[in-house]
Amino acid sequence: KAGVTQTPRYLIKTRGQQVTLSCSPISGHRSVSWYQQTPGQGLQFLFEYFSETQRNKGNFPGRFSGRQFSNSRSEMNVSTLELGDSALYLCASSFLQGSNYGYTFGSGTRLTVV
Amino acid sequence: KQEVTQIPAALSVPEGENLVLNCSFTDSAIYNLQWFRQDPGKGLTSLLLIQSSQREQTSGRLNASLDKSSGRSTLYIAASQPGDSATYLCAVCSTLGRLYFGRGTQLTVWP
Repeated sequence: KAGVTQTPRYLIKTRGQQVTLSCSPISGHRSVSWYQQTPGQGLQFLFEYFSETQRNKGNFPGRFSGRQFSNSRSEMNVSTLELGDSALYLCASSFLQGSNYGYTFGSGTRLTVV
Repeated sequence: KQEVTQIPAALSVPEGENLVLNCSFTDSAIYNLQWFRQDPGKGLTSLLLIQSSQREQTSGRLNASLDKSSGRSTLYIAASQPGDSATYLCAVCSTLGRLYFGRGTQLTVWP
């Protein structure tokens, strides 16, 4: 079966712009989480959606937002981009929140802010 | 707040060696623990998942153990190969379903 699909794979944006990243979970998975990975901070939790509702949120500013659609696909938006937002953004899906099946990650979107 | 620590940060071994990667966490109220592998510039590949009620899981040359009461997990890799070279990440899943990651162990296996 298809894995977790993230688009685009690479993105270059200018400071001040906004960006939208997309994640399509494994078919049947209803939980989608987003993580930011940087060399300095490692992997940090952004937020998690389950059945179109945000269930958990990490310690990121309000510029970072997300949503989940009825087909479980999720988008993450970052407004007013800063240089420090350059990172690998990873999406993970699971059948249920914290389920016995664990999480499956996508290949990520590499965002570079210049 | 859950904190996850992985030791060592980096490891370089010759091919064929058996090795142990360590992971410790501060809050034992976890749902499960998952070991991942990450190749440079890539996403995370799940290796093993251990439920909080389990003591260990095995997959091929990999064996992971969990001691929830002491907040420790180990990943044992038998007969290491150059293809095992990658960063290995330990992640604990909280009861709310959020993953907390360690900083990883960067493994290099040379021929």
